[in-house]
Amino acid sequence: DADVTQTPRNRITKTGKRIMLECSQTKGHDRMYWYRQDPGLGLRLIYYSFDVKDINKGEISDGYSVSRQAQAKFSLSLESAIPNQTALYFCATSESGNTEAFFGQGTRLTVV
Amino acid sequence: GQSLEQPSEVTAVEGAIVQINCTYQTSGFYGLSWYQQHDGGAPTFLSYNALDGLEETGRFSSFLSRSDSYGYLLLQELQMKDSASYFCAGRSDTGFQKLVFGTGTRLLVSP
Repeated sequence: DADVTQTPRNRITKTGKRIMLECSQTKGHDRMYWYRQDPGLGLRLIYYSFDVKDINKGEISDGYSVSRQAQAKFSLSLESAIPNQTALYFCATSESGNTEAFFGQGTRLTVV
Repeated sequence: GQSLEQPSEVTAVEGAIVQINCTYQTSGFYGLSWYQQHDGGAPTFLSYNALDGLEETGRFSSFLSRSDSYGYLLLQELQMKDSASYFCAGRSDTGFQKLVFGTGTRLLVSP
């Protein structure tokens, strides 16, 4: 089983719909991140969390919200999806003080 | 703020050596990491430089010069399987030490 699991792996949704992307980890890491990947733009940070009581906005948080339900679970929501949110989304984890981040396999989201 | 710039694409042939550069502007900086991502896959960690100088891991080496705000990834004895995208990433030295990625470099290795 993967250490960082994202669900769903692929999703097509309509403009205006609410959608939630889920991430769970078995690594026991305290830090979790959500990134968005678009061609030519690299990985851009949406939100990050130090622990269940700590949520921080990244560089492109508008239109997104997150929930850290437990140390192992970090969900990303699009309250009202729009076509320019079509992208590949990655969840990642890292341990406090550790430089290596571990990524999930990604969720390919298409908003039509 | 933080931004990390990389060339968009680099091409090379099998057996050659290639260098992928990363320049950054940041208000606070804790070190430079490198990640590899194959098409359709997730980024995976390659190396980390906390201090100036060269770190070697097999065929891959990574270099950092904090005074020049510059780093590079050096890939030796290139293989076809090295065709992938490579990202540098900086970790801020304030508060949470969030991880910010560069724009990515696509490496194409030809026979």
